[in-house]
Amino acid sequence: SQTIHQWPATLVQPVGSPLSLECTVEGTSNPNLYWYRQAAGRGLQLLFYSVGIGQISSEVPQNLSASRPQDRQFILSSKKLLLSDSGFYLCAWRDPYEQYFGPGTRLTVT
Amino acid sequence: AQSVAQPEDQVNVAEGNPLTVKCTYSVSGNPYLFWYVQYPNRGLQFLLKYITGDNLVKGSYGFEAEFNKSQTSFHLKKPSALVSDSALYFCAVIGDSNYQLIWGAGTKLIIKP
Repeated sequence: SQTIHQWPATLVQPVGSPLSLECTVEGTSNPNLYWYRQAAGRGLQLLFYSVGIGQISSEVPQNLSASRPQDRQFILSSKKLLLSDSGFYLCAWRDPYEQYFGPGTRLTVT
Repeated sequence: AQSVAQPEDQVNVAEGNPLTVKCTYSVSGNPYLFWYVQYPNRGLQFLLKYITGDNLVKGSYGFEAEFNKSQTSFHLKKPSALVSDSALYFCAVIGDSNYQLIWGAGTKLIIKP
């Protein structure tokens, strides 16, 4: 069966520091992968999606970036965090229509 | 424009009573519809989907949803609510050929003992 992992589970970072969140999927190959941000326990904002290695589509202009160095690995990064980057970050993969989510990373920027 | 609306920010139901969480949509073409549940500080869990076929779809944890094409609705239902059903519920629809999900704003469901 397929499993999706995210780490770290929680992160507290100062403003201006870099960020790296990792997502990996097991049990499937060439998945479509997604990064979402959820603010204040409500709506989901799609940040990036990827249909394959090195293929990234950005949905929202911001100081975040994403990379997909391996088939089942999806990384969310920032060079300098802003206070507004705080939130709950969720990774997901699609099969075939519905998306399945990881446990999430709670990021607090101080 | 394609969209999903969850008109209720919060729904309160007594334990043992039936529950309904409302969802309406607007898409061009045939809708692919989904319900998810999120417990505090957890990722979203897939509950059920409608792609085609029977308008009444059954899913996890005793939930079901009814697709109504004329009313463009896909309401989530459960005959008898449990306190453990208290959570945040999201409705979503596939919006385009890239299979991107368009999400509702979420409805907080509170089941009182």
